[in-house]
Amino acid sequence: DQQVKQNSPSLSVQEGRISILNCDYTNSMFDYFLWYKKYPAEGPTFLISISSIKDKNEDGRFTVFLNKSAKHLSLHIVPSQPGDSAVYFCAASNNTDKLIFGTGTRLQVFP
Amino acid sequence: NAGVMQNPRHLVRRRGQEARLRCSPMKGHSHVYWYRQLPEEGLKFMVYLQKENIIDESGMPKERFSAEFPKEGPSILRIQQVVRGDSAAYFCASSPTGDNSPLHFGNGTRLTVT
Repeated sequence: DQQVKQNSPSLSVQEGRISILNCDYTNSMFDYFLWYKKYPAEGPTFLISISSIKDKNEDGRFTVFLNKSAKHLSLHIVPSQPGDSAVYFCAASNNTDKLIFGTGTRLQVFP
Repeated sequence: NAGVMQNPRHLVRRRGQEARLRCSPMKGHSHVYWYRQLPEEGLKFMVYLQKENIIDESGMPKERFSAEFPKEGPSILRIQQVVRGDSAAYFCASSPTGDNSPLHFGNGTRLTVT
């Protein structure tokens, strides 16, 4: 039962362009959503989060959008840089409950 | 301010042996989570602990796996009688409060069962 889904296993974007990573969830009780970035042989690092009372949160080049009615969130990276190449995981939780992760999207930013 | 420390980074065990994975949370963090990542998959929740208490072990296999977070010392994930299917990357994460605060992850222990 995959409660958090990332349907695109990979994405390739040219440097300077926008990267859009998508995530869908099924549990309407989720109220907190996060994006993590992971390089090979390292642990995931926290990027940005959003609570269900908001529909947008921005931090520098990173913006997360939440559409509760569609149970969908997305991460926008603009402009994309080669150093952004990594695997991106979205995650969701219900208040104090554990984080549930998606299967990840591998982003490659080429020059 | 040291991050979440996991050791060993790599662990090789033969089938039937025991594996012990250690995790020291960030300073000031009393909530510890263990996740497992199988090849080409996402991170799967295993267990959530606070000092001396298991809060949620709904992701732990019923047999051979156990976890503890004693009053003193690191959290330990123990796998008895390992099998090839236990080969994975095991990540530990910690948080200060356990409620909607981002988890800080260690770099993981990669377990290989031969």
